[in-house]
Amino acid sequence: DVKVTQSSRYLVKRTGEKVFLECVQDMDHENMFWYRQDPGLGLRLIYFSYDVKMKEKGDIPEGYSVSREKKERFSLILESASTNQTSMYLCASNTLGAEAGEQYFGPGTRLTVT
Amino acid sequence: DAKTTQPPSMDCAEGRAANLPCNHSTISGNEYVYWYRQIHSQGPQYIIHGLKNNETNEMASLIITEDRKSSTLILPHATLRDTAVYYCIDPPNSGGYQKVTFGTGTKLQVIP
Repeated sequence: DVKVTQSSRYLVKRTGEKVFLECVQDMDHENMFWYRQDPGLGLRLIYFSYDVKMKEKGDIPEGYSVSREKKERFSLILESASTNQTSMYLCASNTLGAEAGEQYFGPGTRLTVT
Repeated sequence: DAKTTQPPSMDCAEGRAANLPCNHSTISGNEYVYWYRQIHSQGPQYIIHGLKNNETNEMASLIITEDRKSSTLILPHATLRDTAVYYCIDPPNSGGYQKVTFGTGTKLQVIP
């Protein structure tokens, strides 16, 4: 089974802090994604990566950056956390050539910025 | 905006079939319909997908209308563990890393 893990289930940070969210997948998937989920808004794509060191902006990249130094790991970085970044963050992955809808998700990180 | 339309909530008695509808009237001819579910405080979990024909796996059945403008996910014998939000999506069929848009889904409550 595909396993996507995220470094923390719950995280509390202060405004202005730099925040790192880590995601690791163990199925040698080329594509990795970061989403945020907010009540009433569904899932929104922040960034995705289709290869090591490659990244593409999603719908809401402002305030975020990403890093993919190794194939299995995709990091989401909040350079200076703000209260409006309080959200559930979900990482997902799939393989090159997979149909776009077949993504495997991690358990999520619930981030609170105070 | 999500391209699919689902009722916001449904109830189902435990042991009965849960039938969850989805409208995807703008779906293209080569786009698949996918269903996911999300149990509270967990990540979405893939359930099933289909193009034209009805599909069945160990989790559920998927019925797609002939015009492909709507589909129904069927959980044949709902259990309390099936209480979750169910999402129907029809992502663009142009690459594995295309954006997948999840709407707000249907919150299914299975009642004892």
